[in-house]
Amino acid sequence: QVQLVQSGAEVKKPGASVKVSCKASGYTFTNYYMPWVRQAPGQGLEWMGIINPSTGSTSYAQKFQGRVTMTRDTSTSTVYMELSSLRSEDTAVYYCARGSFYGDADYWGQGTLVTVSS
Amino acid sequence: QSALTQPRSVSGSPGQSVTISCTGTSSDVGYYNYVSWYQLHPGKAPKLMIYDVSKRPSGVPDRFSGSKSDNTASLTISGLQAEDEADYYCCSYAGTYTSRVFGGGTKLTVL
Repeated sequence: QVQLVQSGAEVKKPGASVKVSCKASGYTFTNYYMPWVRQAPGQGLEWMGIINPSTGSTSYAQKFQGRVTMTRDTSTSTVYMELSSLRSEDTAVYYCARGSFYGDADYWGQGTLVTVSS
Repeated sequence: QSALTQPRSVSGSPGQSVTISCTGTSSDVGYYNYVSWYQLHPGKAPKLMIYDVSKRPSGVPDRFSGSKSDNTASLTISGLQAEDEADYYCCSYAGTYTSRVFGGGTKLTVL
């Protein structure tokens, strides 16, 4: 069965970086795009970007350009999302998902809570 | 990129139908047939309910349907059930360089 397992919760200080992993199993890793979405406490869903695990090509939301980097390791079927220059507003649950290029995502990771606090 | 516009809340009684709107622009919802809808229960990951405006993934009840007219997409839930009470978000493709955009979310209350 399809599974996306994300790394555990993180607590970071403002200005630091965080790297969240998402290990895929149960399907051919390179056949599906993987978007990243976040949800801040009490807020809505926010699109961060998407990676093509086959080629490594990425597309980031304008808001995160220059601060986010998405990479993949095909040998372990894992994608990574690194967000730098963290500020308190980045406190959120970060989700990876499996989907199409156009944004629909049919399987989701369990979410990773990133807390940014001094 | 501005978020798509959704009503903050909608409500309905069991068995009734409700429709949630999602208004974008001619650059996203109005231009592309790539609107998806997600259901969120508190503390759980989003669940895909509709993709490509009106297609239902396997396992999603046919009580859920999607449509689009001009710059507005809609999610209709018929035969409301208690377990449908959740937050619903729309999402639209907006072109390669603009990426994708979510709506602000709609809280559905089943009375």
